[in-house]
Amino acid sequence: AQTVTQSQPEMSVQEAETVTLSCTYDTSENNYYLFWYKQPPSRQMILVIRQEAYKQQNATENRFSVNFQKAAKSFSLKISDSQLGDTAMYFCAFIGDGGATNKLIFGTGTLLAVQP
Amino acid sequence: DGGITQSPKYLFRKEGQNVTLSCEQNLNHDAMYWYRQDPGQGLRLIYYSQIVNDFQKGDIAEGYSVSREKKESFPLTVTSAQKNPTAFYLCASSNLAGTQETQYFGPGTRLLVL
Repeated sequence: AQTVTQSQPEMSVQEAETVTLSCTYDTSENNYYLFWYKQPPSRQMILVIRQEAYKQQNATENRFSVNFQKAAKSFSLKISDSQLGDTAMYFCAFIGDGGATNKLIFGTGTLLAVQP
Repeated sequence: DGGITQSPKYLFRKEGQNVTLSCEQNLNHDAMYWYRQDPGQGLRLIYYSQIVNDFQKGDIAEGYSVSREKKESFPLTVTSAQKNPTAFYLCASSNLAGTQETQYFGPGTRLLVL
């Protein structure tokens, strides 16, 4: 079975500092997609960044970047120059490329608090 | 504006009552999904549909029903058989064409039992 594990229930970072959120996953598939979603207090689920497993280059989106280690099945999110608006729950998610479901499998989330 | 809308934002259900949550998208996406979110947990898939007039059960379909009569719409009915319906419900859609697998989410509906 495919699983996603986020081992940090809560994290805190000072404004303008850098923070890294951890995510590991388990799958037997060779090709798949990984995502980080952000859920602020409004509870809207917002896509932060996406990584295709067949791409060796780590994805980046402005202040957000990932460290994708396929062999270790690790997919961490780095937030640089943290801003107060980054305060949210962050979910790591996985989706396989071979199945018919297109089902996103989510971790349990990491609550990030950015302190002024 | 392109996007996904869900209504209502809050919904109250009485014991034994069926309620329907609305989800509409104007992104021309083929696939639509319903997820349930409980405190301290990630999202779990209830139902999904890849094409009009077709849908499949997800991991926690018991007590729920859906329909997909139009590409833009995927309503979810929470039936009286669902014994613990209090949760946050999120609708999502994705374009199955090509390699795009990203799912985009609506703003959600909070369901509470009276």
